[in-house]
Amino acid sequence: QKEVEQNSGPLSVPEGAIASLNCTYSDRGSQSFFWYRQYSGKSPELIMFIYSNGDKEDGRFTAQLNKASQYVSLLIRDSQPSDSATYLCAVTGGSYIPTFGRGTSLIVHP
Amino acid sequence: GAGVSQSPSNKVTEKGKDVELRCDPISGHTALYWYRQSLGQGLEFLIYFQGNSAPDKSGLPSDRFSAERTGGSVSTLTIQRTQQEDSAVYLCASSPGTSGVREQYFGPGTRLTVT
Repeated sequence: QKEVEQNSGPLSVPEGAIASLNCTYSDRGSQSFFWYRQYSGKSPELIMFIYSNGDKEDGRFTAQLNKASQYVSLLIRDSQPSDSATYLCAVTGGSYIPTFGRGTSLIVHP
Repeated sequence: GAGVSQSPSNKVTEKGKDVELRCDPISGHTALYWYRQSLGQGLEFLIYFQGNSAPDKSGLPSDRFSAERTGGSVSTLTIQRTQQEDSAVYLCASSPGTSGVREQYFGPGTRLTVT
């Protein structure tokens, strides 16, 4: 069974700091990796996706992928209170069916 | 343009009753997903429709769950003989073409409570 693991948190960081969110996955055949943000009571929204080993940057967000270690992370630079949310990691293999982790709760305090 | 819409937004039902949840995807989106999210849990995939192809039902938890998509647009998720463990938020998402999860847009969800 494919598994995606995330620390449930909460991860608490001060405003302006770097928040580091981590995700590990069990299926070595996984090909695509996604990070979603979900505010309390709202639906998930896609932040970033990454396919290749290495880093992918988009504004204050950087996704990092290490397929050998089966590890994907999301860094949020200059964290803002508005970044406080649950971050979901999702992984797909050769199909269009994603497996989601349970999410990490991030709290950015002023 | 309009996003993904779902109805009802909230549904309270008694154990043993059947319920129908509706999803209207974004116009032109050929792919449609159903998920459920229980309290404190991640998203659990239920079923995937892509165009006129046979749906991928591999995530449906039991034969009490079924879904259909009429005319390649609106989808209905039906839960028969509801149980308390069916209580969750049911989310629908659509995406264009074969973009799959990469361009997936979620609806607001239907919160189902089984008493």
